[in-house]
Amino acid sequence: SQQGEEDPQALSIQEGENATMNCSYKTSINNLQWYRQNSGRGLVHLILIRSNEREKHSGRLRVTLDTSKKSSSLLITASRAADTASYFCATKPLRGGGSEKLVFGKGTKLTVNP
Amino acid sequence: NAGVTQTPKFQVLKTGQSMTLQCAQDMNHNSMYWYRQDPGMGLRLIYYSASEGTTDKGEVPNGYNVSRLNKREFSLRLESAAPSQTSVYFCASSVYGGETQYFGPGTRLLVL
Repeated sequence: SQQGEEDPQALSIQEGENATMNCSYKTSINNLQWYRQNSGRGLVHLILIRSNEREKHSGRLRVTLDTSKKSSSLLITASRAADTASYFCATKPLRGGGSEKLVFGKGTKLTVNP
Repeated sequence: NAGVTQTPKFQVLKTGQSMTLQCAQDMNHNSMYWYRQDPGMGLRLIYYSASEGTTDKGEVPNGYNVSRLNKREFSLRLESAAPSQTSVYFCASSVYGGETQYFGPGTRLLVL
């Protein structure tokens, strides 16, 4: 079963606006990652945040992690039409046999209108 | 570096036919994965190989087999294809399990 659940399922904004996507998960994690998927393409890694980190930045991306609430958010600032894609969160379980793999959510589909 | 490559890009099969999807990575990664992606279902893990010489079942392994041929290559075999296996298949690799994964471009499979 999938651990990460993204919210909202779909988001439509205007170019220049900020886009915020959320991810909730169920069990303790070692890290949480965000990926982007353009239509018809493979996933591309965006950013990884470890369980002892609270916030991380990469260019126009800001990721926060709240382990007490088991949730993360991805903020894309000053969005562009090229940001149109699906965004997935993925979690690495903290321990046990499942720690060799990531568990992906179902994704948020972001549309940035010119 | 080519990263993760997959062949073929697109395939049409008839029910009952068999085929092997090939995946190779040139990043010297230890772990490799096979996923399927269906509309509204996100990515579901079929099989993975945490290191050369080991393979383990993922969330949806029924109807599939895998072979970790060497450190570079990880193939996925459908012995008797079914329409329910119509999907887009992605291969991925990572240095170690649970770390950043690098994905191939995908194989679109249609089973009639």
